[in-house]
Amino acid sequence: NAGVMQNPRHLVRRRGQEARLRCSPMKGHSHVYWYRQLPEEGLKFMVYLQKENIIDESGMPKERFSAEFPKEGPSILRIQQVVRGDSAAYFCASSLGRQATQRIQYFGAGTRLSVL
Amino acid sequence: DQQVKQNSPSLSVQEGRISILNCDYTNSMFDYFLWYKKYPAEGPTFLISISSIKDKNEDGRFTVFLNKSAKHLSLHIVPSQPGDSAVYFCAASGTGNQFYFGTGTSLTVIP
Repeated sequence: NAGVMQNPRHLVRRRGQEARLRCSPMKGHSHVYWYRQLPEEGLKFMVYLQKENIIDESGMPKERFSAEFPKEGPSILRIQQVVRGDSAAYFCASSLGRQATQRIQYFGAGTRLSVL
Repeated sequence: DQQVKQNSPSLSVQEGRISILNCDYTNSMFDYFLWYKKYPAEGPTFLISISSIKDKNEDGRFTVFLNKSAKHLSLHIVPSQPGDSAVYFCAASGTGNQFYFGTGTSLTVIP
């Protein structure tokens, strides 16, 4: 299983710095999703992308957060001017499609962001 | 607004017995439901899913039951094994693009 690869696994940033989280989907998957998990909470949807397109960013904070999935290379979740409240585990998932069992999302191991 | 709820934060079961994890949802437009298992410091791993056109789906020791009228689904694990100890999340999806996740139930299987 050439699974969903996320890096880095752990990221430490000081307040005001930028955080870049990378996600390579499973081979053959062109649908990528980002989720955030705060302590003691479930996973919260942030954004859904297909190659070169943001399909749904309804869960993404309006400021400081952005995501992309370029034609070549991994998907990037970018957080500018991080604050302590951004400390969380960020998970990326990918799926084959949007129909029937193709919509099963497979998750990476996550990036744990700590903001000092 | 929590559209998917797992009201039991934790559950302990003896090895060999049945584990039943429950999940409730509020949105009648959800048509696909999944269970994920998560170990600490790892991502969620897909376990089993069910479409709203079915009321039961079985895969080995895992069975998911769906009661659409009650907006309730459950995951049965039988027999439970110590390696099943993990956090279990249910998720639901409709015509939109996202999965809605519950807050998880931590299962401990006691040897």
